[in-house]
Amino acid sequence: DSGVTQTPKHLITATGQRVTLRCSPRSGDLSVYWYQQSLDQGLQFLIQYYNGEERAKGNILERFSAQQFPDLHSELNLSSLELGDSALYFCASSPQQGGRSPLHFGNGTRLTVT
Amino acid sequence: TQLLEQSPQFLSIQEGENLTVYCNSSSVFSSLQWYRQEPGEGPVLLVTVVTGGEVKKLKRLTFQFGDARKDSSLHITAAQPGDTGLYLCAGDAGLTFGTGTRLTIIP
Repeated sequence: DSGVTQTPKHLITATGQRVTLRCSPRSGDLSVYWYQQSLDQGLQFLIQYYNGEERAKGNILERFSAQQFPDLHSELNLSSLELGDSALYFCASSPQQGGRSPLHFGNGTRLTVT
Repeated sequence: TQLLEQSPQFLSIQEGENLTVYCNSSSVFSSLQWYRQEPGEGPVLLVTVVTGGEVKKLKRLTFQFGDARKDSSLHITAAQPGDTGLYLCAGDAGLTFGTGTRLTIIP
């Protein structure tokens, strides 16, 4: 158990809809990362927050947004969903905002857009 | 954007054989990490390498960081079915992940 909790585990929705994915980081970790993984491929970094502030941005679409709340949990909002957004979305946390700290991953949210 | 290319993309070998997977980039990384991901789960850290030329061993797994800190390799000796999974290298403090190597060990 990594200590990172993601909800929901599965999500099925239709094109054009909006969904929110939730992540609770490991106790004590201040940094949260979001990733997208399609069809058993590598992870695509989306965005990172550290102690409530955005720290790094990857290939995140404008239709996607995220935030980290004062209690350090984070939400990833996906809107105007398209079929191509179907993927596994992972959240990871670490104590610091960079460096060599290991990332601890949740078990992901599987999003299916129909 | 720094890229990490892994090879091979897929590898299927018999139990007991040895194998090596590679992680290459044209960019220099201050450190590289290797993760293993099993179906239905998130990646789990195996090792972090930080010094050019560094070699780290984790039981039957040997990790090497290139002298120029642009590449890394993972060698598995006497592979076992439990080694099956998706192996991912990562750099830039988690902001860049490799394309992955899907390893299947056949009993």
